[in-house]
Amino acid sequence: DQQVKQNSPSLSVQEGRISILNCDYTNSMFDYFLWYKKYPAEGPTFLISISSIKDKNEDGRFTVFLNKSAKHLSLHIVPSQPGDSAVYFCAADTGNQFYFGTGTSLTVIP
Amino acid sequence: EAQVTQNPRYLITVTGKKLTVTCSQNMNHEYMSWYRQDPGLGLRQIYYSMNVEVTDKGDVPEGYKVSRKEKRNFPLILESPSPNQTSLYFCASARSQALTQYFGPGTRLLVL
Repeated sequence: DQQVKQNSPSLSVQEGRISILNCDYTNSMFDYFLWYKKYPAEGPTFLISISSIKDKNEDGRFTVFLNKSAKHLSLHIVPSQPGDSAVYFCAADTGNQFYFGTGTSLTVIP
Repeated sequence: EAQVTQNPRYLITVTGKKLTVTCSQNMNHEYMSWYRQDPGLGLRQIYYSMNVEVTDKGDVPEGYKVSRKEKRNFPLILESPSPNQTSLYFCASARSQALTQYFGPGTRLLVL
């Protein structure tokens, strides 16, 4: 049973526009939520995280929003750049175990 | 350079032939973990280790073994591989379990 879900397998966005990637989860015991970015033939790399006690965290062009009542988080990338084209995984942490979503492939069109 | 290394990067084997995938990190991290990535299923945690001699099962531990005799190394052992273990495997490490993980480049395994 998937505890972290990314329902959009792919997303295409024009360069300069906003990319919004979504993630839903079922376990209310998750402490931390993270986004990882993955290029082909490489391991995932950490992008941004948010504690369960916060509702927003910002780092440059990347902002993560957490809505605990809806068990939903989203990653906003503004402005989107062609180099952002990659697969994005959201992940959640119970303190020792990690659960990843299935990934969303983002394509930023120049 | 801070990194997580995995060997081999690619491996083709046959059912039942024991194999080991090595993982090593040079960041003195306490937490290490193994994942498998399969189409439509994302990354699933196989085993994790909070420190030397401390290991625990993740979401999909069946058919795998691990050991953590030294802080830097966390090998993944498949005693009797089966075709359903054909997958892309990632090792990861973190300073502690609550912090972000650094991933290795992946090991693509095909079990015939």
